[in-house]
Amino acid sequence: DAGVTQSPTHLIKTRGQQVTLRCSPKSGHDTVSWYQQALGQGPQFIFQYYEEEERQRGNFPDRFSGHQFPNYSSELNVNALLLGDSALYLCASSLGRGGQSYEQYFGPGTRLTVT
Amino acid sequence: GNSVTQMEGPVTLSEEAFLTINCTYTATGYPSLFWYVQYPGEGLQLLLKATKADDKGSNKGFEATYRKETTSFHLEKGSVQVSDSAVYFCALSASYKLSFGAGTTVTVRA
Repeated sequence: DAGVTQSPTHLIKTRGQQVTLRCSPKSGHDTVSWYQQALGQGPQFIFQYYEEEERQRGNFPDRFSGHQFPNYSSELNVNALLLGDSALYLCASSLGRGGQSYEQYFGPGTRLTVT
Repeated sequence: GNSVTQMEGPVTLSEEAFLTINCTYTATGYPSLFWYVQYPGEGLQLLLKATKADDKGSNKGFEATYRKETTSFHLEKGSVQVSDSAVYFCALSASYKLSFGAGTTVTVRA
């Protein structure tokens, strides 16, 4: 049973550039959430995609956008990169229906460094 | 809004010592509560969960009880091993998203 996969593992970009990160959910899951984890901090929620639409968004600027494909995989795009965008980006998958007990399963993350 | 506060680290213990990491939360409604663990260089792994008041989550010798009256979800383990060295995150689930604490780094010495 494949878990959550993310690509690439590491990425180095220059300020002002754009980046796309990719995520494939755990088998059987239909919902993908993205989190940003700065060094030494807890993950911060960016947004969640369900049925190919953004269902919930955290306090992140419009430079952060996403997409979900019919096979439930997802992309996170960040435009006009800033030094402060350097972080570990985590993708988590879960089932979209059901009650509040959302068990989210995390991928290994993409380490983004902006220079 | 929803928030989680967990004890600051780092915490350093000897093998077979007792571990407790305090976690309190603020939330509207009745969130589900989780503990996640992050080993060096890896993503987060779900350690245990509790979905309603007085539920006890347990896994790999770790336990935590959902205390609504004290809005707490403290993590405990009776006898830690070197392999338990990691960062532990308390989290709550509400409105589709997880809200995390800042994490507690635990180091277990042989």
